Amino acid sequence: AQSVTQPDIHITVSEGASLELRCNYSYGATPYLFWYVQSPGQGLQLLLKYFSGDTLVQGIKGFEAEFKRSQSSFNLRKPSVHWSDAAEYFCAVGTSGGYQKVTFGTGTKLQVIP
Amino acid sequence: EAQVTQNPRYLITVTGKKLTVTCSQNMNHEYMSWYRQDPGLGLRQIYYSMNVEVTDKGDVPEGYKVSRKEKRNFPLILESPSPNQTSLYFCASSFQRETDTQYFGPGTRLTVL
Repeated sequence: AQSVTQPDIHITVSEGASLELRCNYSYGATPYLFWYVQSPGQGLQLLLKYFSGDTLVQGIKGFEAEFKRSQSSFNLRKPSVHWSDAAEYFCAVGTSGGYQKVTFGTGTKLQVIP
Repeated sequence: EAQVTQNPRYLITVTGKKLTVTCSQNMNHEYMSWYRQDPGLGLRQIYYSMNVEVTDKGDVPEGYKVSRKEKRNFPLILESPSPNQTSLYFCASSFQRETDTQYFGPGTRLTVL
């Protein structure tokens, strides 16, 4: 069975600073990887996803993530954080068995300070 | 507007009183799923459905039932709610392929006293 680890429960960064959120996955076959963002009181919105091709994936809101198979990682990055990026971020891994089965990590809560 | 809707958004109930949380999508998605979100545990899948009349258990199905009689609707049923089912519930839908994006509803906050 697949699993996802987000080692950082809470991260605080200054506005304008760079950001990296860590995600490690466990899955025997080729994984499908997702990052979702949840703003306070809202549902989840997809930031980006990877399933093949270029290992550096661009997403919405200026986010990108890099798939590193050797490290089983899919870290999310943003070069300059804005106050509106304060939210909770979830990494997720999907199966490659021909149907949807997605497992989510426990989330990283991002705080942005002026 | 393409969306997933859930009702009610907030519900306070008592132990043992049957309830249903509705979920509806207007995107003709085959796949629908229910998750619960608890602090420190992230989202855990309760049940999912790959199409009409096709449902299966997720990771935490105990105490829940679902049905999929129509493509657009996927209600979550708690026959006898207990306090440990107090949680934030999300419905999601997508097309069938594993690479497709899931679209989430706004959530239902359930409190069982």
